[in-house]
Amino acid sequence: DAKTTQPPSMDCAEGRAANLPCNHSTISGNEYVYWYRQIHSQGPQYIIHGLKNNETNEMASLIITEDRKSSTLILPHATLRDTAVYYCIVRPHNDYKLSFGAGTTVTVRA
Amino acid sequence: SQTIHQWPATLVQPVGSPLSLECTVEGTSNPNLYWYRQAAGRGLQLLFYSVGIGQISSEVPQNLSASRPQDRQFILSSKKLLLSDSGFYLCAWRGVISDPPLHFGNGTRLTVT
Repeated sequence: DAKTTQPPSMDCAEGRAANLPCNHSTISGNEYVYWYRQIHSQGPQYIIHGLKNNETNEMASLIITEDRKSSTLILPHATLRDTAVYYCIVRPHNDYKLSFGAGTTVTVRA
Repeated sequence: SQTIHQWPATLVQPVGSPLSLECTVEGTSNPNLYWYRQAAGRGLQLLFYSVGIGQISSEVPQNLSASRPQDRQFILSSKKLLLSDSGFYLCAWRGVISDPPLHFGNGTRLTVT
C-alpha cells in the first residue's frame, strides 16, 4: 500500500469547516483513497472514499488533487461529536487488507 | 442488514492465563474476516485475516493465534497471555464485493495484569 502522511493533531471550532490533509505521493493508479474515523473506545467508522474525482456524502467531502498525490477531507460543519482520530488510507480497491497509521487527532472545541 | 458482534467488551486477565475472543458476523456469507490490535495511542495493527473457513493468514508473529471454525465466526486465542498483549482488539469483516472495504466491531479492551 502507498504510504500516507497526516498531521498528528488539529483543532477545529464547532460549527466551522474542518479540513484534514493527507499526503500520498506514491499512490498508484489503481489505489483508492479511503477515510475512516475512530471515536474513543469504538471501532473505526468508514467516512468516504474516492479514486480521482471529488466525492461528497452526508458525512463529508473528499477533495483529491489532480495529480492524486494528496487529498483533503472536509467536515463542513464540525460538531463536538466529530472529535475523533481520522485515518487516511490508500489501497487497491480489490485488496482485502487495510493498514492504519497514527492518523490525525481532531478536537472540536465549543 | 449486516452486523458484527464482538465480545466481551472489556476483559482483565492475569499474565499466563489463556485468552479467547470471539467475533461473529450476521447477514452476509463468506466474508473476509480480520483481527486488528491497537496499543494505547497507536494506530491499528493487522494481526490475522481469513478468506474462508480454516484459512488463516498471520501478519505479525506473536503470542496469539486465530481460528475460523465457521463461515461467520472468527476467534482470537492465546495459550498464555503476556503483559504486551494488552490492547484494544478489533474484529472486522469485508464482503467479496464490499464498499466500504471494512466494517468494524466495537472492540474488546484487554488488560493483562
